[in-house]
Amino acid sequence: QVQLVESGGDVVQPGKSLRLSCAASGFTFSSYGMHWVRQAPGKGLEWVALISFDGSNKYYADSVKGRFTISSDNSKNTLYLHMNSLRAEDTAIYYCAKGGFYCSGFSCYVDDWGQGTLVTVSS
Amino acid sequence: QSVLSQPPSASGTPGQRVTISCSGSSSNIGTNYVYWYQQLPGTAPKLLIYRNNQRPSGVPDRFSGSKSGTSASLAINGLRSEDEADYYCATWDDSLSGWVFGGGTKLTVL
Repeated sequence: QVQLVESGGDVVQPGKSLRLSCAASGFTFSSYGMHWVRQAPGKGLEWVALISFDGSNKYYADSVKGRFTISSDNSKNTLYLHMNSLRAEDTAIYYCAKGGFYCSGFSCYVDDWGQGTLVTVSS
Repeated sequence: QSVLSQPPSASGTPGQRVTISCSGSSSNIGTNYVYWYQQLPGTAPKLLIYRNNQRPSGVPDRFSGSKSGTSASLAINGLRSEDEADYYCATWDDSLSGWVFGGGTKLTVL
């Protein structure tokens, strides 16, 4: 079965950087688009970023564009989120989520979720 | 402020039918499929409805989705206590070139 295990969440100061990882198993990682979705404490879901199955297309929410970078390593079945210039409003649980088979953009709906990793941005 | 609008709360008694609405625009719901997610307290979300009205295997047929124009709805028939959760709609937005979620609806089973 699909397993998505996030790691890397931590308490960091504003302006600092952090990298999240998501180890995937139970499916052919290189054939699926992958997302990051976050949820601030007590708030709703916010889509953050998407990478297409072949890594050729990357999409970002306006709130993180220019600061966050999504990437993947197919040899390690791992998804990453590099977060720079962190702000207090980036404090959230970050979920790694699986998209569709050979998908990109509009066709990449989320059909499986990890359990999330908590990022706290505070001085 | 979410691009997709959902009522913040909904409620019903066991056995009742409840509907949750999701309102968008021509750049999102109007031209793309709608998806629904259920988030039980303290857990990760789970896909409930895909492509407007399709249920993944394992999702009871008490749950159904529909779409008309720039709005969509999730209906839950025969409400049960275990349905108490937050529900989110989602779709692709052509103008934003990204995915968008509704603000979520907290369903209470009275």
